[in-house]
Amino acid sequence: DQQVKQNSPSLSVQEGRISILNCDYTNSMFDYFLWYKKYPAEGPTFLISISSIKDKNEDGRFTVFLNKSAKHLSLHIVPSQPGDSAVYFCAASGRDNAGNMLTFGGGTRLMVKP
Amino acid sequence: GAGVSQSPSNKVTEKGKDVELRCDPISGHTALYWYRQSLGQGLEFLIYFQGNSAPDKSGLPSDRFSAERTGGSVSTLTIQRTQQEDSAVYLCASTGGAYETQYFGPGTRLLVL
Repeated sequence: DQQVKQNSPSLSVQEGRISILNCDYTNSMFDYFLWYKKYPAEGPTFLISISSIKDKNEDGRFTVFLNKSAKHLSLHIVPSQPGDSAVYFCAASGRDNAGNMLTFGGGTRLMVKP
Repeated sequence: GAGVSQSPSNKVTEKGKDVELRCDPISGHTALYWYRQSLGQGLEFLIYFQGNSAPDKSGLPSDRFSAERTGGSVSTLTIQRTQQEDSAVYLCASTGGAYETQYFGPGTRLLVL
């Protein structure tokens, strides 16, 4: 039973436009959410996070939105650049998890076309 | 200092053999995690070390998997009698404490023939 789901395995966007990556979760104990970016043959790189006490966090071109009632979060990248092409993983951790181990979604492959 | 490092970067082994994967966390980080990513899947938690406490082994898929962390730093993940379904990328992450950002190494790509 997947507790974190990314229902779109891939997304293609034109350079300069907005990329929106979505993530849904089922565990109401999750209270901290992260997005990681992964290039081939590299480990995931932390991108941005959000605590459940917030509904938005912004860092440059990246904004994460959290809708707790819908158990949904999204990552917006604007404007998208070709270098953003990578696999993006949504991850969550929660209060029932003393070790803060992360539960990951299956990833969305973003392709930004020049 | 340097980021998380892992070795080997790639490992090909025959079914039934044992393998050891190594992780060097960021200096000073007290928490260390092992995850694995099977083909087309997300990352799956395996085991967690925090300081000198007993590790959380709740994610280990079978008793063929074990891990240790010596001196609170380097960690070794051992897979005994490897099976083809063990083929995956094994990723290590470290952090300065719980609820802090986890920094990942580049992973070890394991292929069991």
